[in-house]
Amino acid sequence: NAGVMQNPRHLVRRRGQEARLRCSPMKGHSHVYWYRQLPEEGLKFMVYLQKENIIDESGMPKERFSAEFPKEGPSILRIQQVVRGDSAAYFCASSPKLDPWRGYTFGSGTRLTVV
Amino acid sequence: GQNIDQPTEMTATEGAIVQINCTYQTSGFNGLFWYQQHAGEAPTFLSYNVLDGLEEKGRFSSFLSRSKGYSYLLLKELQMKDSASYLCTVRGSGGYNKLIFGAGIRLAVHP
Repeated sequence: NAGVMQNPRHLVRRRGQEARLRCSPMKGHSHVYWYRQLPEEGLKFMVYLQKENIIDESGMPKERFSAEFPKEGPSILRIQQVVRGDSAAYFCASSPKLDPWRGYTFGSGTRLTVV
Repeated sequence: GQNIDQPTEMTATEGAIVQINCTYQTSGFNGLFWYQQHAGEAPTFLSYNVLDGLEEKGRFSSFLSRSKGYSYLLLKELQMKDSASYLCTVRGSGGYNKLIFGAGIRLAVHP
């Protein structure tokens, strides 16, 4: 009964490269959320997806960032032309339809470092 | 606007009791969560309050007052492994699980 799986755990990219972060939700979970955590700051909502649908992307920068959750396979958070300010921990979480008592189950995160 | 306020740091002694406070102002309210996060790890669920009052779960209790926009997390019989960040988190309105996180409080437990 694997939890939320994120990979890679650590990712180093040079400025201008692309970063792809993957998230496989818990079995039976159809809702995926991406959060970003800057050093010494709280988690900030980025995007909420269901299979093949983006439900709310209000927290995601309009440029360079995109997310998808295809019918088959993991959810992908894609950052194009990375800049130093993109360095952060990116957490994925999943939930069943609506689990009011537990909120989410989080993955271990991907720590992106832009050099 | 959305705002969740917590102290930044606290220290406490092993075996003691500590209360971690949180105040919030959000545009909607559908429950308050407390998460624990060890350095470099994922947040893990501790407690959930949607009605006023105290919820007790082992060494951890959480209290909510919706009229005051206030919650606290009470940790009893502190252990060294309780050294972590504690995140006060509000689920706003909108019909789904969008959570608003506070910056978290770093608790250091000393022997």
